[in-house]
Amino acid sequence: KQEVTQIPAALSVPEGENLVLNCSFTDSAIYNLQWFRQDPGKGLTSLLLIQSSQREQTSGRLNASLDKSSGRSTLYIAASQPGDSATYLCAKVMNRDDKIIFGKGTRLHILP
Amino acid sequence: GAVVSQHPSWVICKSGTSVKIECRSLDFQATTMFWYRQFPKQSLMLMATSNEGSKATYEQGVEKDKFLINHASLTLSTLTVTSAHPEDSSFYICSASLRDGSSYEQYFGPGTRLTVT
Repeated sequence: KQEVTQIPAALSVPEGENLVLNCSFTDSAIYNLQWFRQDPGKGLTSLLLIQSSQREQTSGRLNASLDKSSGRSTLYIAASQPGDSATYLCAKVMNRDDKIIFGKGTRLHILP
Repeated sequence: GAVVSQHPSWVICKSGTSVKIECRSLDFQATTMFWYRQFPKQSLMLMATSNEGSKATYEQGVEKDKFLINHASLTLSTLTVTSAHPEDSSFYICSASLRDGSSYEQYFGPGTRLTVT
């Protein structure tokens, strides 16, 4: 059974800190991996998508890496801000046209 | 960018009634759409995969007679919750897949919050 695990489940850090969210997945077969943000009661916002042939993607203060051999991805957030508070979901697609498998998410709270 | 809409954004219905939720890809054609359900403080769970013009494929444990999915066109899929009960109250999110050359990505709708009283 395909599984995506996210650690930690919740995280509270002071504003301005750099932080790392971790994601691990079973089965190294992967088409792409995606990080989403979800605000309470809202839908998903796609942050970064890493194709299987790529090692990382960057967007502003966000950087996501992918290590297929170890089955891990990390989301790095630089200089965190209170507006970054949300749940961050890691999701994996094993094959093209396949379903997305979501992790349970990391609830992030940035303290002002 | 690719945009997916859902309607309604929220709905309240009485137990025993049916509710229809629409998912539309606004600026692209999606041969495949997916329906997810999310309970409070939990992650998204895939309910079914919907391909245009064919029957939906349901995940294990999802009642296909209760959650009717119709994918009549390349831009529209509907989820009908039949004979709704309070335990069906949840956040329902759809996604639509877009193939662009060798790339493939799913785009998500904003979700529909269903409350059954």
